[in-house]
Amino acid sequence: EPEVTQTPSHQVTQMGQEVILRCVPISNHLYFYWYRQILGQKVEFLVSFYNNEISEKSEIFDDQFSVERPDGSNFTLKIRSTKLEDSAMYFCASSERPYRGDNEQFFGPGTRLTVL
Amino acid sequence: SQQGEEDPQALSIQEGENATMNCSYKTSINNLQWYRQNSGRGLVHLILIRSNEREKHSGRLRVTLDTSKKSSSLLITASRAADTASYFCATDRGNAGGTSYGKLTFGQGTILTVHP
Repeated sequence: EPEVTQTPSHQVTQMGQEVILRCVPISNHLYFYWYRQILGQKVEFLVSFYNNEISEKSEIFDDQFSVERPDGSNFTLKIRSTKLEDSAMYFCASSERPYRGDNEQFFGPGTRLTVL
Repeated sequence: SQQGEEDPQALSIQEGENATMNCSYKTSINNLQWYRQNSGRGLVHLILIRSNEREKHSGRLRVTLDTSKKSSSLLITASRAADTASYFCATDRGNAGGTSYGKLTFGQGTILTVHP
């Protein structure tokens, strides 16, 4: 069964460093998302992406964050200068297409980002 | 309470018993989705129910939606130890045109423990 994959599974970085989290969405899916979950807290929406541009972003997704689909398969989240509070599990998700009332999103296993 | 609030926060049952988890939300929605998360792992999509549906079944799962009360319930029948996980509801508000572009809003989740 097709699934969303993410690399790396765990990333440790120093504060102020840039990190790129990678995702390979399900191949026939057209919408891509990033969410994060700080330990013990809710899963929070960061950004949605369609047709090579951002569809929607949350207030968390500030200028330090960017997303890109550099080729036909990868979808990346870049954090330009990491802060301690960026430590979280980052989930990529994809959905086939947003029908009226339907938008099943399938999530990857996550990348645990630890900022020291 | 915030969009997508589950109760109870924790539920402990014996194998073979039924587990019922509830979710309340505040705004109108396009659909509501339930996810399972095993400890420290990714989110597994369980079921999506549209705003014009009242009940949906999938295997041992039964989901109801009451848009007048802005609430949903997830029933797991004949529970197994392998059902032990956190369960989250997530709402998709869609956009003004009624289509869905993502941005799931998650609740805090219910931690379900099924004892063998």
